[in-house]
Amino acid sequence: AIQMTQSPSSLSASVGDRVTITCRASQDIRNELGWYQQKPGKAPKLLINAASILQSGVPSRFSGDGSGTDFTLTISSLQPEDFATYYCLQDFNHPRTFGQGTTLVSK
Amino acid sequence: QVQLVQSGGEVKKPGASVKVSCKASGYTFSTYGFSWVRQAPGQGPEWMGWISAYNGNTNYAQTYQGRVTMTTDTSASTVYMELRSLRSDDTAVYYCARDRGRDCRGGRCVTYGLDVWGQGTTVTVSS
Repeated sequence: AIQMTQSPSSLSASVGDRVTITCRASQDIRNELGWYQQKPGKAPKLLINAASILQSGVPSRFSGDGSGTDFTLTISSLQPEDFATYYCLQDFNHPRTFGQGTTLVSK
Repeated sequence: QVQLVQSGGEVKKPGASVKVSCKASGYTFSTYGFSWVRQAPGQGPEWMGWISAYNGNTNYAQTYQGRVTMTTDTSASTVYMELRSLRSDDTAVYYCARDRGRDCRGGRCVTYGLDVWGQGTTVTVSS
């Protein structure tokens, strides 16, 4: 199975900060990766598919980049509603595998 | 609008089975597949497997092989996940998610991720 290594596991930031989360795949997965946001008690929500395609309705402060093995999710200017946990998920093959998650906490 | 509605929470004893349903609406059911994902308390999500709503083909994570069965009822636009021989560490929230898979056109492929999720079903396994 492809291993997805996500970092950092926790990130302390303030409203207005630019934050970047990284996901590394254990093998080449082309651009076949999605980013998800999860808030407590809620299902994950797809933010970005195919590494960089923003889902409809997702604010443009979110962006994704990368291909091959290295991927990033960037929030250009953190808003209060962005404090949540973020996961990457590889769509390259089965079994699908998630990163361990990054929790954004308020500084 | 596209929606997935799951069945209600369950409490089961060790060794029992649970069957969770997920009813889709707002699109043509057989067009896409479904993934099932579970999340134990305080843990990250874990992919359990996938089923095609077109032909019923399945692909299960090794961890669940032999213990899980995913099925569809096209007439009811519903997908099911049954997990048998429950243990206490199966206590989790179980999610279905629409899995649009990979779409290839003109030599270019795009993956669409798990774009719609059910609300989750809490399964508690306790003696």
